[in-house]
Amino acid sequence: AQSVSQHNHHVILSEAASLELGCNYSYGGTVNLFWYVQYPGQHLQLLLKYFSGDPLVKGIKGFEAEFIKSKFSFNLRKPSVQWSDTAEYFCAVMPYSGNTPLVFGKGTRLSVIA
Amino acid sequence: DTGVSQNPRHKITKRGQNVTFRCDPISEHNRLYWYRQTLGQGPEFLTYFQNEAQLEKSRLLSDRFSAERPKGSFSTLEIQRTEQGDSAMYLCASSLIPGSGNTIYFGEGSWLTVV
Repeated sequence: AQSVSQHNHHVILSEAASLELGCNYSYGGTVNLFWYVQYPGQHLQLLLKYFSGDPLVKGIKGFEAEFIKSKFSFNLRKPSVQWSDTAEYFCAVMPYSGNTPLVFGKGTRLSVIA
Repeated sequence: DTGVSQNPRHKITKRGQNVTFRCDPISEHNRLYWYRQTLGQGPEFLTYFQNEAQLEKSRLLSDRFSAERPKGSFSTLEIQRTEQGDSAMYLCASSLIPGSGNTIYFGEGSWLTVV
């Protein structure tokens, strides 16, 4: 069965700092990869997804993620964070077939301070 | 709003009572998922449907839990004889059949507090 590890439980950054959140997955086959964000009091929203093609994926709000197959990683990045990026970020994986459900990591809480 | 809709949004119940949550997926989405999320954890898969067929159930789904999607549209998740450990947010999500680039969309969740 697949699993997802998010290495950072809580990250605190100042505004304008660069962000990188780690995500590693465990699965031997082809996968679809996702980053979801959950702002305080709101529902899970998709930031970006990788299905195939260019391993550097750009999402909403200036976020991007790079799929490195050899490292089983899908790290999330943003060059300059804003206070409004304060949220919980979840990495998730699904086998390419789509016949097993999305598996989430435990999440990383990002706090951006002014 | 044509997103995934869940109700009630919050439910406080006494231990031992039964509760039922409803999920209305995005129209024409044939996949419907239920997840559970507790504080400090990521969503954990419970079960999913393709149309009206329940295709997979997690080991987290004890005998006290039952989910239905009778007409392949809305779904209900019932918890019988609730326990304090059932306190969590119950998330519903829907999609077209994944594996072809389709996104899974989540509802706002139903908070359950068992006292």
